[in-house]
Amino acid sequence: ETGVTQTPRHLVMGMTNKKSLKCEQHLGHNAMYWYKQSAKKPLELMFVYNFKEQTENNSVPSRFSPECPNSSHLFLHLHTLQPEDSALYLCASSQGQASSYEQYFGPGTRLTVT
Amino acid sequence: AQKVTQAQTEISVVEKEDVTLDCVYETRDTTYYLFWYKQPPSGELVFLIRRNSFDEQNEISGRYSWNFQKSTSSFNFTITASQVVDSAVYFCALTPIIQGAQKLVFGQGTRLTINP
Repeated sequence: ETGVTQTPRHLVMGMTNKKSLKCEQHLGHNAMYWYKQSAKKPLELMFVYNFKEQTENNSVPSRFSPECPNSSHLFLHLHTLQPEDSALYLCASSQGQASSYEQYFGPGTRLTVT
Repeated sequence: AQKVTQAQTEISVVEKEDVTLDCVYETRDTTYYLFWYKQPPSGELVFLIRRNSFDEQNEISGRYSWNFQKSTSSFNFTITASQVVDSAVYFCALTPIIQGAQKLVFGQGTRLTINP
């Protein structure tokens, strides 16, 4: 176990639903990340938060809405998703002071949009 | 723009064979970090190694070794005497050296299967 937990592990939702993914880290890190991993593309960085401030939005559609209430928690709010949004969503954390620190990943949420 | 290419999509070998996973990168940054991560079937990526662009020394850790060659923009990973537990997807990644959080760019990954 890496110290990063994600819930739920599996989620099936319709295109009109609203759901949220949760990530929690117990490592005392300041930076948190959302990634999308789909079968046809490499791991895509979606959002980065450092010391609770969003520092990166990698041109992600507005139907994905991140929230970082504190350095230990990160949410991804989902609404009106498309079938192509089906993927494994990974959360990660790292020390936020410099880019040298490795990231610690959670096990991911397997999302299926029907 | 940064790009990481892992040309080998899948590799399958028999246990105890040596195997090398290739990684080639492109970046305009003069300073950067390279990483290798392992993704077992459980899903979470596990950090294996970080290499600073200033440091071209090869590194060995048990059965794992890494060959960083800046002249060819490559950072290859070799597993010696492979074992079934090495079966996983392996990712190479790149980030510029910056203050603050990383901006990792990942390769497509290589799925390694070690057969008994």
